Amino acid sequence: KAGVTQTPRYLIKTRGQQVTLSCSPISGHRSVSWYQQTPGQGLQFLFEYFSETQRNKGNFPGRFSGRQFSNSRSEMNVSTLELGDSALYLCASSLWGRNEQFFGPGTRLTVL
Amino acid sequence: DQQVKQNSPSLSVQEGRISILNCDYTNSMFDYFLWYKKYPAEGPTFLISISSIKDKNEDGRFTVFLNKSAKHLSLHIVPSQPGDSAVYFCAASESPSNTGKLIFGQGTTLQVKP
Repeated sequence: KAGVTQTPRYLIKTRGQQVTLSCSPISGHRSVSWYQQTPGQGLQFLFEYFSETQRNKGNFPGRFSGRQFSNSRSEMNVSTLELGDSALYLCASSLWGRNEQFFGPGTRLTVL
Repeated sequence: DQQVKQNSPSLSVQEGRISILNCDYTNSMFDYFLWYKKYPAEGPTFLISISSIKDKNEDGRFTVFLNKSAKHLSLHIVPSQPGDSAVYFCAASESPSNTGKLIFGQGTTLQVKP
């Protein structure tokens, strides 16, 4: 069974731009969560989607948004990029009703 | 306010010996705990989990112990192998669980020396 895939793997943007990251969950997994990993803050929860609905949201500004499609694929968008948004963005999927989340390789975003 | 803490940033053990990684939490609403392993340039890999109704869960070389009264969990790796060298994260889910939100510790870097 294929794992969680994320595209692109690497991205370089400049301040003020916006970016869209994509995540394809494991087949059959309908829950998708997003995390930001930085050296200073560790892994922090951004939001979670299930059945195209955002069920839970972390403490991030409104510049961070996401969505989920009917095939469970998810995208996250960051608008008006700031230098501090440079991070590894991780997507994880899970079966409905299970806590175990399975992570993709991440997208490394660098904001210049 | 860090709800999940891994107070040891690093740990070094000899191949074949036991590795013990520790994790403390402050939120009494956490009812499910997980351990992940992470290699550089990869996403975290799920290792083992434990529900708060248990105090021990075993899977091969990996055992997780949960002490609810002390709000402490630990991961034991026996025997340790060089391929176990990675960053280990503990994570917790708040009741009601299955909300898709995991709270992670800062990680412990394990080095297993041949």
